[in-house]
Amino acid sequence: GAVVSQHPSRVICKSGTSVKIECRSLDFQATTMFWYRQFPKQSLMLMATSNEGSKATYEQGVEKDKFLINHASLTLSTLTVTSAHPEDSSFYICSASGEPAELFGPGTRLTVT
Amino acid sequence: GQNIDQPTEMTATEGAIVQINCTYQTSGFNGLFWYQQHAGEAPTFLSYNVLDGLEEKGRFSSFLSRSKGYSYLLLKELQMKDSASYLCAVHSGGSYIPTFGRGTSLIVHP
Repeated sequence: GAVVSQHPSRVICKSGTSVKIECRSLDFQATTMFWYRQFPKQSLMLMATSNEGSKATYEQGVEKDKFLINHASLTLSTLTVTSAHPEDSSFYICSASGEPAELFGPGTRLTVT
Repeated sequence: GQNIDQPTEMTATEGAIVQINCTYQTSGFNGLFWYQQHAGEAPTFLSYNVLDGLEEKGRFSSFLSRSKGYSYLLLKELQMKDSASYLCAVHSGGSYIPTFGRGTSLIVHP
């Protein structure tokens, strides 16, 4: 069946470095993927919509130069957190449109020290 | 704007029934989703309502009243593994992207 995978599942990095998170659709093509961020005991907050072959659409308040999104193929979208700071520590989740509901990846726990 | 409201936390006993409510105020309505999320994991889809009424799926049922902007998720024969956060999400306007509520943390105790 259709599955969305994410890699890595956990990452710890030092402040100032960049981290790339991959989101892949397995056994199906996803022209649109979504990136969410979730802080502890908070809801999912949509960061951006990733469109294959075009620029991502960012939600208000999300810095596009800090959170770089690349959707180069129909099965892969990447989110790069540039110059990470401790406040970027969060749970990052991607999803792809499904029927009837979105299919979520397993999430990536980012800790910036 | 859009507003989705659900209780922050609920507790229930193993084997019992629990109802988690969700109220919403949105511009237009295209459907309401319920997801289950265990700590540190991604949400998993539970149910989808687009018309008024009750949708039943095994131990889980979801109800929708569009005129009242109200939904509930009913969990029967609670099991310890049902301890999780339950997220209500609404598609509204012309968007196919859901807006999520804060989630209800359900604690099931023996």
